[in-house]
Amino acid sequence: QVQLVQFGAEVKKPGASVKVSCKASGYTFTSCDINWVRQATGQGLEWMGWMNPNSGNTGYAQKFQGRVTMTRNTSISTAYMELSSLRSEDTAVYYCARRRGAGSSDYWGQGTLVTVSS
Amino acid sequence: DIQMTQSPSSLSASVGDRVTITCRASQRLNNYLNWYQQKPGMTPKLLIYAASSLQSGVPSRFSGSGSGTDFTLTISSLQPEDFATYYCQQSYSTPYTFGQGTKLEIK
Repeated sequence: QVQLVQFGAEVKKPGASVKVSCKASGYTFTSCDINWVRQATGQGLEWMGWMNPNSGNTGYAQKFQGRVTMTRNTSISTAYMELSSLRSEDTAVYYCARRRGAGSSDYWGQGTLVTVSS
Repeated sequence: DIQMTQSPSSLSASVGDRVTITCRASQRLNNYLNWYQQKPGMTPKLLIYAASSLQSGVPSRFSGSGSGTDFTLTISSLQPEDFATYYCQQSYSTPYTFGQGTKLEIK
């Protein structure tokens, strides 16, 4: 069965960077794009960007341009999202999701809580 | 960026009710409109993609309709497990923006 596995939590200081991983299984990793979405506590969903695991091509929301980098390691079927220059407003759960029909996200990781605090 | 506006923001309904949530986009989407359900502490779940296609495994009481800029999610007969927050999302052009969510509560 399709699974996207993310680790639970990270705590970072303002100005630091965080790299969130997302390990895929149950399908051919390189056959589907990966979306990254975040959600602050009690807030809505915010799309951050996408990555094509086959080509490595990416597309980022303008809001995160210059601070976000999405990469992958196809040998271990893992996608990564690195966010730099962290600030308190970046405290959120970060989800990876497989992109499928009409650009929808059909399978989601369980999320990684990133807390930015001094 | 395409702005997505859901209405209502919250809704109280009873088990068995028929419920409709609407989503309006700031520009035409060519049916690249998806609906998700999220329960507290859980990951979002895809219900409908391409405006009206039911995701595999989703009960048939959920349906999506609409075109252009106006879309609806309908739950034909509310079940206890349907009380959650619902989000629309456009995947027509990046950034793939979400609506602000509609919280469906028990009356």
